[in-house]
Amino acid sequence: AQKITQTQPGMFVQEKEAVTLDCTYDTSDQSYGLFWYKQPSSGEMIFLIYQGSYDEQNATEGRYSLNFQKARKSANLVISASQLGDSAMYFCAMRDAGNQFYFGTGTSLTVIP
Amino acid sequence: GAGVSQTPSNKVTEKGKYVELRCDPISGHTALYWYRQSLGQGPEFLIYFQGTGAADDSGLPNDRFFAVRPEGSVSTLKIQRTERGDSAVYLCASSLYGGFGANVLTFGAGSRLTVL
Repeated sequence: AQKITQTQPGMFVQEKEAVTLDCTYDTSDQSYGLFWYKQPSSGEMIFLIYQGSYDEQNATEGRYSLNFQKARKSANLVISASQLGDSAMYFCAMRDAGNQFYFGTGTSLTVIP
Repeated sequence: GAGVSQTPSNKVTEKGKYVELRCDPISGHTALYWYRQSLGQGPEFLIYFQGTGAADDSGLPNDRFFAVRPEGSVSTLKIQRTERGDSAVYLCASSLYGGFGANVLTFGAGSRLTVL
């Protein structure tokens, strides 16, 4: 069964606007972690933000925030004030209780000037 | 080292040959992961080491693939009798052990394997 689902293969956003990238996950673990990574065309995987399953507040890191809705098993990434350099692939990932990481299929974000 | 180092960055080989891909994780990181990423796809799990032992090798696609981490640091992914379908970017990542907290995976730049 797919652990991480990203339903948006591609997204477009106007520069300086906000954009939400969707992610849903599937686990029966009580303790788990949710991550977002950015992969520019250069290929490197860059860690953006983390949310623990027991964290009650949504994580924020600069222009990135994670909209965590535990009951819905969703962990959407919100990027505010988009910049041209935000154009990249974005991957949602989950770490389960066994320290195994699962990745979604990714969303390609294009920021339009 | 400061980051995760992978060598070679690019490898072109012929069908049927043997290849080795090396990963040098961040110093002190006990967990090491290998992933395979095809064009336009997300990373696909291959194997996870905790220390010297493989904690989970369920992602290895068949017995042509094998990985070792004999001293608990550097790891080598070995592919025998390569096939064209093995062409992909092989990503290595490491993390501190522990299922709690922001146990972030730090990735290397990847090894691009092309099988002709």
